[in-house]
Amino acid sequence: QKEVEQNSGPLSVPEGAIASLNCTYSDRGSQSFFWYRQYSGKSPELIMFIYSNGDKEDGRFTAQLNKASQYVSLLIRDSQPSDSATYLCAVIIRGGSEKLVFGKGTKLTVNP
Amino acid sequence: NAGVMQNPRHLVRRRGQEARLRCSPMKGHSHVYWYRQLPEEGLKFMVYLQKENIIDESGMPKERFSAEFPKEGPSILRIQQVVRGDSAAYFCASSRIGQGIMNTEAFFGQGTRLTVV
Repeated sequence: QKEVEQNSGPLSVPEGAIASLNCTYSDRGSQSFFWYRQYSGKSPELIMFIYSNGDKEDGRFTAQLNKASQYVSLLIRDSQPSDSATYLCAVIIRGGSEKLVFGKGTKLTVNP
Repeated sequence: NAGVMQNPRHLVRRRGQEARLRCSPMKGHSHVYWYRQLPEEGLKFMVYLQKENIIDESGMPKERFSAEFPKEGPSILRIQQVVRGDSAAYFCASSRIGQGIMNTEAFFGQGTRLTVV
């Protein structure tokens, strides 16, 4: 099993809808989870991090974590065309050093 | 994040040449991470360094690739005798303390796009 898995998409939603992005991870002991957004040809930028089970809200973004199911998700409410990007899930994986491991990303397109 | 500086932004090398990629972390950051990204792929971890120490190089190819983070100056990712398969975007990230510590964010540079012809 890959360390961090995401549906590669692409995911297409209409403007104003809720976009739901999902991620699973293999290391049951992982404690730190991150969502990055990457526009085409640009570097990743951190948009959310979550450490505790449950929901964490920041503006139109909500991260959800379920450690028992080893599942983390990102909801984007009132999606805008400017949200069109690739969303990368990242998890701190233990074992030796603690390094940030990324999924392959989900490409989101928000249609006007 | 503009605070992490990578150069050059674009690098073209012929097969067999050497490529040197530089990364200056954000001020106050002593941890540097290198990732490689192929087109339409996610970020693949390569190496994690602190000043004068390689902490984790489990993602580095065994041959031709090396990395350093000297006491003074930027971190360097060096690729010797480049091949076409080395063509990719190479991103550097830095953090103030190790990523295993909660509330530590890693910030990325703009990347170096390496093209091997």
